[in-house]
Amino acid sequence: ETGVTQSPTHLIKTRGQQVTLRCSSQSGHNTVSWYQQALGQGPQFIFQYYREEENGRGNFPPRFSGLQFPNYSSELNVNALELDDSALYLCASSSGQGGADTQYFGPGTRLTVL
Amino acid sequence: GESVGLHLPTLSVQEGDNSIINCAYSNSASDYFIWYKQESGKGPQFIIDIRSNMDKRQGQRVTVLLNKTVKHLSLQIAATQPGDSAVYFCAEVRITSGTYKYIFGTGTRLKVLA
Repeated sequence: ETGVTQSPTHLIKTRGQQVTLRCSSQSGHNTVSWYQQALGQGPQFIFQYYREEENGRGNFPPRFSGLQFPNYSSELNVNALELDDSALYLCASSSGQGGADTQYFGPGTRLTVL
Repeated sequence: GESVGLHLPTLSVQEGDNSIINCAYSNSASDYFIWYKQESGKGPQFIIDIRSNMDKRQGQRVTVLLNKTVKHLSLQIAATQPGDSAVYFCAEVRITSGTYKYIFGTGTRLKVLA
């Protein structure tokens, strides 16, 4: 196991609602990256946090936002949920600025939007 | 554009045989490549990486080959075991404005036949 934990494991929401997903990084890691993995697809980069600041973003709309805390844990917030937001959300932690070292993934949160 | 894709979506291999999983990438400006293994219900697990200035790297039962001329990457698994059954992703790692961005392909499912 990587030491990266995520909560909750599963979540069901309805369209238009808001959701917060949480990630605890591996000890010693200061960078957290979030990914969206649709069924049958590879993970798609959402954004990355390094020392509590956003440090890069993929092609996701502003309703996807995040936070990183002083202990390097992180949250992913999604507002105005859409059906297409149903996916596995993965966080990965790494060390070094910008995630210079290998990213290690958590087990993911399965989000279903009805 | 950016794309990392795989030639074969599903690969069935007899237990004990060698497996070869292929990956094509489109952008030659990548810094290194990583192979991940994802089992059902789990996050991607790091297997092996290779820097762009290398052609080959070996690990325990795995070998990664990089052919920059044709932009092709392969993962070879020796003496394939039932525990190797999973989806395998190659990820292209590119440094953009201080962020190590991971670009994943769609994955290849490896089925090990007893």
